[in-house]
Order: sequence, then C-alpha cells, then structure tokens
Amino acid sequence: DTGVSQDPRHKITKRGQNVTFRCDPISEHNRLYWYRQTLGQGPEFLTYFQNEAQLEKSRLLSDRFSAERPKGSFSTLEIQRTEQGDSAMYLCASSPTGSLGNTIYFGEGSWLTVV
Amino acid sequence: EDQVTQSPEALRLQEGESSSLNCSYTVSGLRGLFWYRQDPGKGPEFLFTLYSAGEEKEKERLKATLTKKESFLHITAPKPEDSATYLCAVQAPGGGNKLTFGTGTQLKVEL
Repeated sequence: DTGVSQDPRHKITKRGQNVTFRCDPISEHNRLYWYRQTLGQGPEFLTYFQNEAQLEKSRLLSDRFSAERPKGSFSTLEIQRTEQGDSAMYLCASSPTGSLGNTIYFGEGSWLTVV
Repeated sequence: EDQVTQSPEALRLQEGESSSLNCSYTVSGLRGLFWYRQDPGKGPEFLFTLYSAGEEKEKERLKATLTKKESFLHITAPKPEDSATYLCAVQAPGGGNKLTFGTGTQLKVEL
C-alpha cells in the first residue's frame, strides 16, 4: 500500500528559471489536490482535479503556475519564471469520492527554494 | 469565507502533563473537520475526521471532540514523540471537498 508520492523532494533554483513537480496519488483516488505551505502557516489550496479535469483554481495560482493531470493518473505542477516569493513547500494530496469517503491524504511535499 | 483559528500557537508540556488544543471555525455547512499531525519538513499525516457536533474519536493518547463552533484535541499523558505541529482543517460541500486549514499549534513535549 503506497501513499501519495512527490518528486523531487527538494529543489533549489535561480530566479527566473522554470521548475516542475510531479505527484503520484494513491492509486484508487480520483481526486488530486495541490496545496502550498510556507513557514508557520497552514497549507493553502491551489487547485484540484477530478480524474483528468481541473475543476477549481485558487486566486493564489497566478498565470505563471500550471497544473496538469493527463489520463487522470499522475499530476505535474509547473512554475514558470520563478520568483523568490514562490519559495515554499508544495504539497500534493489525493482522496476518493463517494462511498469510499472524503479523507484527503497528503504526500511528503516538494520544497522549493528560489535564490 | 471559511475560517479556522487555532490556539495556542505554541505549547510546551512536560511528559505526562495533559492538555488541550483548540480549533475554532466558521464554515457554510460543515462536511467534516479534520485533524492532522505534521512533523518538521514532512507532509501532514491524517489523524481524525469529525462530522457532527457531539462526535468524539480517539487514537492512543489523542482524543478529538467537536461542537458546532469548535473542536478540541485532547492529549493525555503526552510523550516526547507527540511533539509536532497539529493542524485543524474544515471541509465544506462543493469545491471538490477542499480543506481550509488553520495555522497550527506547535507542540513540544519535554522529558
């Protein structure tokens, strides 16, 4: 039984570069979420997918951010032209729907440092 | 807009000294209230879901309770390994059941 898997766990990048994070959800879960967490704060919702459809995006998700979930399996979160304010932990989570419950399970996160 | 406020921000306990963490919330139609534990540098680990006022759940030294306005996480006879940040989150209908989190309570249990 594997949990939510994220890669890479840590990324240091120079300002202006693009970065991409990957998330593999729990296999039977059809909902996938991206959250961002900064030091001393709780996770903040960015976006979510039901299967391959991206159904909601937060106002926090600027035009430099794009997320995809091709074929409703793994997901990627890309940040273009990174800024220092993008430094945070990016958390992926997944959940089942319907009778399987609605608990959301998180991965270990991907730390981004923009220098 | 859904809001979650946790108190205290930080709590230091001696081993065996029981205490409670508070989570106050406002939400349009609570679907669930979640408690997570988060260790430094790691993702949140699911602890409990509470669905209706009066509900209680227990796991080892932890007990979560829910009223219409707040939830408490009671820690009985804590051990140093209980040291972590405890996050509370609410889930409302719609929006893919996304969670709105508080800022957490950082708990340190000392010998």
